[in-house]
Amino acid sequence: DAKTTQPPSMDCAEGRAANLPCNHSTISGNEYVYWYRQIHSQGPQYIIHGLKNNETNEMASLIITEDRKSSTLILPHATLRDTAVYYCIALGTASKLTFGTGTRLQVTL
Amino acid sequence: DSGVTQTPKHLITATGQRVTLRCSPRSGDLSVYWYQQSLDQGLQFLIQYYNGEERAKGNILERFSAQQFPDLHSELNLSSLELGDSALYFCASSAIYSSGANVLTFGAGSRLTVL
Repeated sequence: DAKTTQPPSMDCAEGRAANLPCNHSTISGNEYVYWYRQIHSQGPQYIIHGLKNNETNEMASLIITEDRKSSTLILPHATLRDTAVYYCIALGTASKLTFGTGTRLQVTL
Repeated sequence: DSGVTQTPKHLITATGQRVTLRCSPRSGDLSVYWYQQSLDQGLQFLIQYYNGEERAKGNILERFSAQQFPDLHSELNLSSLELGDSALYFCASSAIYSSGANVLTFGAGSRLTVL
C-alpha cells in the first residue's frame, strides 16, 4: 500500500472551508484514496473515497490530482463538530486498512 | 448509530484476568476487523475475519485471540491481561463496493481498563 504524508495539524475558522492535503506519490493504479476521521475517542468515521475522479458527498469533497500523487479533502463549511483527526489512506482492494498519524484539525470560532 | 455493535462499552478488570469483547457487524457485512488504540496512540490493526475465516493478521499478541462465528458476530479474547493492554478496542465491518472499494464502518468501541 502506498505511504501517505499529511501535515500533523491544521487550524480552520468555523464557517470557512477546511482543505486537508495528502501526499501519496507512490500510489499504484488500483489503489483507492480513502479518508476517515476520528473525533476524540469515538470510532473512526468514513468520509469519502476516490480512485481517479473527484468525488463529492454530503460530508465532503475529494479532489485527486491528475497524476494521482496527491489529494485534498475539502470540508466546505467547517463547524466545531468537525474538530477531529483526519486520516488519508491509499489502499488496494485486498489490503488491510492501517492508519497513520493523520492531521489533527482544530476548528475555532 | 453506525450499525456495528460492540459490547461491553466499558470494562474494568485486574491484571492476569481474561476478558471477551463482542462485535456484531452491520447487516450484510461479511468482514470484521479488530483495532486497538492505547491512550494517545494511533489505531493498531489486530486481525481481520471474512465469513468465518481469518483473512489478515496485524500486531496481535499471542495472548489475544479472535474468532468469527457462523452468524458473523466476532469475539476478541484477551488473556493474562497486563496494564499495557488498557486501551480502546474497536471493531469494524466492511462492505466491498461493486467498484472494488472497501469501506469500513466502525463501532463505538470497548474501553478496557486493567488495574
